Amino acid sequence: AQSVTQPDIHITVSEGASLELRCNYSYGATPYLFWYVQSPGQGLQLLLKYFSGDTLVQGIKGFEAEFKRSQSSFNLRKPSVHWSDAAEYFCAVGAGYSTLTFGKGTMLLVSP
Amino acid sequence: GAVVSQHPSRVICKSGTSVKIECRSLDFQATTMFWYRQFPKQSLMLMATSNEGSKATYEQGVEKDKFLINHASLTLSTLTVTSAHPEDSSFYICSAPPGGAGDEQFFGPGTRLTVL
Repeated sequence: AQSVTQPDIHITVSEGASLELRCNYSYGATPYLFWYVQSPGQGLQLLLKYFSGDTLVQGIKGFEAEFKRSQSSFNLRKPSVHWSDAAEYFCAVGAGYSTLTFGKGTMLLVSP
Repeated sequence: GAVVSQHPSRVICKSGTSVKIECRSLDFQATTMFWYRQFPKQSLMLMATSNEGSKATYEQGVEKDKFLINHASLTLSTLTVTSAHPEDSSFYICSAPPGGAGDEQFFGPGTRLTVL
């Protein structure tokens, strides 16, 4: 069975500081990996995805993530956080877009 | 990107009543829509796949007689929680893939259901 673990329920980062959100997955084959962001009153928005190829993927809003097969990880990074990045972030794994298993989410708080 | 809306955004109802939640694709047609449930501090769990013109496909453990899904048009799917109970209180989210079931999903903003 596939599963996703986001070990941090919430993280606080100072504005301008770097960010890394952790995601570990369990999947029986080559996974399709996703990061979504959910802001209050908004639907989940796809930040980036990994299907194959280069293990470092670039996404929207300055985010990137690195697929590390040996560690079963797909951590999300951003070099400099903005106050508008405060939201909940979800990692997901699947065989494609439609069969997604989500993690429990990490709430990002940005301090001035 | 494609836009998916949900109505209402939040609803409070008494135990035993039924509640209908609408999911609309605003700028595309969707033959398939997905319904998720999210409990506090939990991940999104797929409840069912809604198929236009045919019966919905429910995930294991989801009661199809309790969570009625109707996908009557290419832009609208409805989820009716029948005889709601407090344990049905949750955040219900729909999504739709513009290009069909295997395409990227676009998510609605969710509906917060509270059953008293």
